[in-house]
Amino acid sequence: AQSVAQPEDQVNVAEGNPLTVKCTYSVSGNPYLFWYVQYPNRGLQFLLKYITGDNLVKGSYGFEAEFNKSQTSFHLKKPSALVSDSALYFCAVRDTHSGNTPLVFGKGTRLSVIA
Amino acid sequence: DTGVSQNPRHKITKRGQNVTFRCDPISEHNRLYWYRQTLGQGPEFLTYFQNEAQLEKSRLLSDRFSAERPKGSFSTLEIQRTEQGDSAMYLCASSFLRGGDVREQFFGPGTRLTVL
Repeated sequence: AQSVAQPEDQVNVAEGNPLTVKCTYSVSGNPYLFWYVQYPNRGLQFLLKYITGDNLVKGSYGFEAEFNKSQTSFHLKKPSALVSDSALYFCAVRDTHSGNTPLVFGKGTRLSVIA
Repeated sequence: DTGVSQNPRHKITKRGQNVTFRCDPISEHNRLYWYRQTLGQGPEFLTYFQNEAQLEKSRLLSDRFSAERPKGSFSTLEIQRTEQGDSAMYLCASSFLRGGDVREQFFGPGTRLTVL
């Protein structure tokens, strides 16, 4: 069965510093990987996805993520954090091995960017 | 606004009552998903439709839950005989499937259910 782990419940970073939100996954086949962000009282917003190709994926709002097959990781990164990046971030995976499986989400990591 | 919409945004009900939620997906999207999210957890898959066909249901979807997408457009999720454990945020998402192309899902704002 597919699964996602986000080992940090909370990440604090100073504005202007680089940020990393960690995600590891487990699948039987090859993964499709996604990052979503959730702001208060709003739905999840898509940030980026890895399907195939380059391991470094660039997405919305200056975010990027690096797919590492050997470490089964897909960490979200941003070179310079903004206070407006403060939100709840979810990593999700879909296993290609089992056909059209649904997305499985991690528990989320709350990012707090301090001015 | 051409995003996914959900109604109502909030629902408070007493245990044992029935509730129904509605989701209107992005108009050209042929796939529609329902998820449930509780505090401190990520969304958990409940069920999904391709056009009007319900293709998969999670084990989380007990027989008190039923979902429909009668004309392949909007969808409803009904919970019968609600229990306090049903209190959660119910999220709807939609996507467009064409061939083997993997498209992201677009989420609505959710319906927050509180069962007293």
